Amino acid sequence: DAGVTQSPTHLIKTRGQHVTLRCSPISGHKSVSWYQQVLGQGPQFIFQYYEKEERGRGNFPDRFSARQFPNYSSELNVNALLLGDSALYLCASSLEAPYTEAFFGQGTRLTVV
Amino acid sequence: QQPVQSPQAVILREGEDAVINCSSSKALYSVHWYRQKHGEAPVFLMILLKGGEQKGHEKISASFNEKKQQSSLYLTASQLSYSGTYFCGTEIGSNDYKLSFGAGTTVTVRA
Repeated sequence: DAGVTQSPTHLIKTRGQHVTLRCSPISGHKSVSWYQQVLGQGPQFIFQYYEKEERGRGNFPDRFSARQFPNYSSELNVNALLLGDSALYLCASSLEAPYTEAFFGQGTRLTVV
Repeated sequence: QQPVQSPQAVILREGEDAVINCSSSKALYSVHWYRQKHGEAPVFLMILLKGGEQKGHEKISASFNEKKQQSSLYLTASQLSYSGTYFCGTEIGSNDYKLSFGAGTTVTVRA
């Protein structure tokens, strides 16, 4: 069975640009969450979507947005990139939400220069 | 609010035991434990729901004391494969769609 897939795996962007990260959950999973992980720290919650609706939002600026599509895949968009947005962006899918086992993808490594 | 983990790091020899603690300033509904190896995605270990239950995963077990808003992860008879960074994640309500992770505890198991 395919796990959680994220694309692209690596990305280099310039300050001020826009980026779109994509996530395909495990088949049958209805919940997708996005996290930002800076080196040496734990994952920081950005968004959770369940059944295509936003159910949770972390303490991130409005430059961060996301959506979930009818097939339960998801996109994370970040506008007006800052150097501080450089991080590993993780997507996790779960069967239901909340308080269920989450399966993480390998992440997208975003570097802003 | 992020939970606080302790210790930050621990070094073990194979066969030794260790305890990792996770505490919150808010009442918790659930505690999740994950392990992340260098360059890899976090992997789910277990989830403990409100009710003080204890769970086990091979020789890794955990407890959840909801009154103290704390959880502990127990690594028993550690193996080399236990090396990695352990994160606890907490949810504060049954409808809380936000999993807050601690800063992690790095465990190094040496032969």
